[in-house]
Amino acid sequence: KAGVTQTPRYLIKTRGQQVTLSCSPISGHRSVSWYQQTPGQGLQFLFEYFSETQRNKGNFPGRFSGRQFSNSRSEMNVSTLELGDSALYLCASSLYKGLVDTEAFFGQGTRLTVV
Amino acid sequence: DQQVKQNSPSLSVQEGRISILNCDYTNSMFDYFLWYKKYPAEGPTFLISISSIKDKNEDGRFTVFLNKSAKHLSLHIVPSQPGDSAVYFCAAVYNNNDMRFGAGTRLTVKP
Repeated sequence: KAGVTQTPRYLIKTRGQQVTLSCSPISGHRSVSWYQQTPGQGLQFLFEYFSETQRNKGNFPGRFSGRQFSNSRSEMNVSTLELGDSALYLCASSLYKGLVDTEAFFGQGTRLTVV
Repeated sequence: DQQVKQNSPSLSVQEGRISILNCDYTNSMFDYFLWYKKYPAEGPTFLISISSIKDKNEDGRFTVFLNKSAKHLSLHIVPSQPGDSAVYFCAAVYNNNDMRFGAGTRLTVKP
């Protein structure tokens, strides 16, 4: 059974550009969440999608957006990149509507570097 | 806002001894807690979880303790092994679909 797949693995962008990251969840998983990991801040919740609907959103500016497709694949977009957006972006999928009673399975992440 | 806090960024223990990783939370609505382990260049992997109706859950060498009144949970690893060296994240869930993480604690187990 394939795991959570995130593409690309590494990305270098310049300030002001925009970027789109992709996440393919485990087959059958309908919930996809996105996290930003930076040293010292740990994993910070960006947003969560279920059945193409954003159900929760963390405390990130509007430059961060996402969507989920009918096949549960999800993308996140960051516009007008800033140096502070450099981080590891992790996607997690889970089987049920909620996370209780099941753990979230993480992808390997996309390492974004903004120069 | 950091609703889940891991105040120790790092911990070093000797092989065979006990490792205790701590986590505090502020939101009393959290009702499910998890620990994840993360190796470099990999995504976090699930380790152990505990529901708020319990105060202890054990799985092999790993035990998670929950003190709801103190809003505190801890992960005990006994005995610690060099392969346990990783970053450990504490996570808390509320509303059945919103998971928040702590900043992580880097555990180093020395042979």
